[in-house]
Amino acid sequence: GENVEQHPSTLSVQEGDSAVIKCTYSDSASNYFPWYKQELGKGPQLIIDIRSNVGEKKDQRIAVTLNKTAKHFSLHITETQPEDSAVYFCAAQGYSSASKIIFGSGTRLSIRP
Amino acid sequence: ETGVTQTPRHLVMGMTNKKSLKCEQHLGHNAMYWYKQSAKKPLELMFVYSLEERVENNSVPSRFSPECPNSSHLFLHLHTLQPEDSALYLCASSQEWGFDQPQHFGDGTRLSIL
Repeated sequence: GENVEQHPSTLSVQEGDSAVIKCTYSDSASNYFPWYKQELGKGPQLIIDIRSNVGEKKDQRIAVTLNKTAKHFSLHITETQPEDSAVYFCAAQGYSSASKIIFGSGTRLSIRP
Repeated sequence: ETGVTQTPRHLVMGMTNKKSLKCEQHLGHNAMYWYKQSAKKPLELMFVYSLEERVENNSVPSRFSPECPNSSHLFLHLHTLQPEDSALYLCASSQEWGFDQPQHFGDGTRLSIL
């Protein structure tokens, strides 16, 4: 079946440095790629998403890139801050209205002061 | 006010108990979801409701029984659960069911089966 692989599972970066999380998907029909952030004791929250008709999208310190040929997409966080510490999930969904959203297994990001 | 509210936040129950999880969304959305989140595993979609009709049932054991009385409320009835059912259960909603729909999650119910 369809799956989404996410790497790394844990990531520690110095405050102010950049963090990159990568995901690979198997279903070539996937067209929607959201990223969720889950803080301790909270539910996941959408932080950015990208659709297959664009290759890159940016929102302040967060950016997502998509390579449909290689079937992978990445989350980039620049100038990391302590509040960026959380678990991040990527996901992929096909264009069919019945297509389920498939989540990656998550990346625990820690920001070192 | 949180858009999606789940109660209770924590639940401990024995394998022979019957309990229910509740989810309420205040966003005017038409689709609601139940997910299971276990440590180091991807979110597992359990059930999807669109306009109060179940449209997805991902081979979930019958000891989990969903109910959607209206588009704002979703329940998950639990009975005769197993220890491996201990997990965080998340409810989510989206404007519609289908492609390209950002999902809004509640903060979950942490379920522990003794």
